[in-house]
Amino acid sequence: AQSVTQLGSHVSVSEGALVLLRCNYSSSVPPYLFWYVQYPNQGLQLLLKYTTGATLVKGINGFEAEFKKSETSFHLTKPSAHMSDAAEYFCAVSPGVTGGGNKLTFGTGTQLKVEL
Amino acid sequence: DAGVTQSPTHLIKTRGQHVTLRCSPISGHKSVSWYQQVLGQGPQFIFQYYEKEERGRGNFPDRFSARQFPNYSSELNVNALLLGDSALYLCASSLAWTGYNEQFFGPGTRLTVL
Repeated sequence: AQSVTQLGSHVSVSEGALVLLRCNYSSSVPPYLFWYVQYPNQGLQLLLKYTTGATLVKGINGFEAEFKKSETSFHLTKPSAHMSDAAEYFCAVSPGVTGGGNKLTFGTGTQLKVEL
Repeated sequence: DAGVTQSPTHLIKTRGQHVTLRCSPISGHKSVSWYQQVLGQGPQFIFQYYEKEERGRGNFPDRFSARQFPNYSSELNVNALLLGDSALYLCASSLAWTGYNEQFFGPGTRLTVL
């Protein structure tokens, strides 16, 4: 079974400050990892994903994440927060190359607030 | 190109009723998945279909069922609605059902059960 833990249900940063959203996963097989963003009353939009290869992954809107197998982590960062980044962020895992399809197991989400 | 579309946008039902939610995938996508997102939580996997066959089922009661049509659109049916079924129901489509295929999400259907 796979699971995802997102530390911090609410994170608040100042505009221009570093954004760090934490994600740890549990998986018995090499996983694929994803970060999604959800704006109010909308569906989910993919920010970035790790499947294989380079462990530092760059996504849209200046976000990036690093896959650290030894720490079972996939934390999301952005050097400088913008007001438009305020949203809910979800980390997710899928079974990867060993099969089981591409169904996603999500964390409970982190609400990011950006203050002036 | 159009993204994943879902209908209706909002729905209000009473306990014990039945509901049908609909999803049209991105053109060319053959896999559709359904997720339930209860307020304040992450989405939970309900079903996945590929080429009209069920490829996965989450931990949901038999009151939940789904199907996929020859044009790859899909329906999610929920019988005997409970208050706890109130949630945002998300549909996602992908080219195939293997792990590296990205899922694209629709805007969701907000179901309220009174």
